[in-house]
Amino acid sequence: GAGVSQSPSNKVTEKGKDVELRCDPISGHTALYWYRQRLGQGLEFLIYFQGNSAPDKSGLPSDRFSAERTGESVSTLTIQRTQQEDSAVYLCASSPGQGFQQYFGPGTRLTVT
Amino acid sequence: RKEVEQDPGPFNVPEGATVAFNCTYSNSASQSFFWYRQDCRKEPKLLMSVYSSGNEDGRFTAQLNRASQYISLLIRDSKLSDSATYLCVVNAGSARQLTFGSGTQLTVLP
Repeated sequence: GAGVSQSPSNKVTEKGKDVELRCDPISGHTALYWYRQRLGQGLEFLIYFQGNSAPDKSGLPSDRFSAERTGESVSTLTIQRTQQEDSAVYLCASSPGQGFQQYFGPGTRLTVT
Repeated sequence: RKEVEQDPGPFNVPEGATVAFNCTYSNSASQSFFWYRQDCRKEPKLLMSVYSSGNEDGRFTAQLNRASQYISLLIRDSKLSDSATYLCVVNAGSARQLTFGSGTQLTVLP
């Protein structure tokens, strides 16, 4: 079946612009996660959605970052007024539920110039 | 102290060697444990879950030591294709998400 998909695969933007990243999870997966991975670094948790519960936003680095999820489907991660330190790969993962194996999308490589 | 800690390596081993990685976790309430593999510039993919009794999948063996709060991964008869970063992953008791270690880099040399 289809895996997790993300778009765009690459995004180059100018400092100060807003960007929107999209994630399509595996159908039926109730849990959805966003991570950030800087070059040569580990995964940094950003936000977690579980069903209709309030999202866990504890990993968002600043109020420039926000994310939404429509029901148990598509999620968008928005970064406002991008900064150069936002340059990273943004990975989305979905899971049948909390604590289960996470399936990752290919990521969006964001470059802020 | 980080919730999940790994030796970043790099580990450079010859083909056919046996190599072991350890990972420690801080939350004694952790329930789920996994090893993921991440190839260069690719997304992480599940290698194997880690069960209390230990488990084996071909050349890979995972062990869990709850008393000492560490997980290990043993790779026997290393192949060139095993070169990757190995991520230790723990459900750190927050009931919300898995916590990823920073990864251990392995390079298998011909």
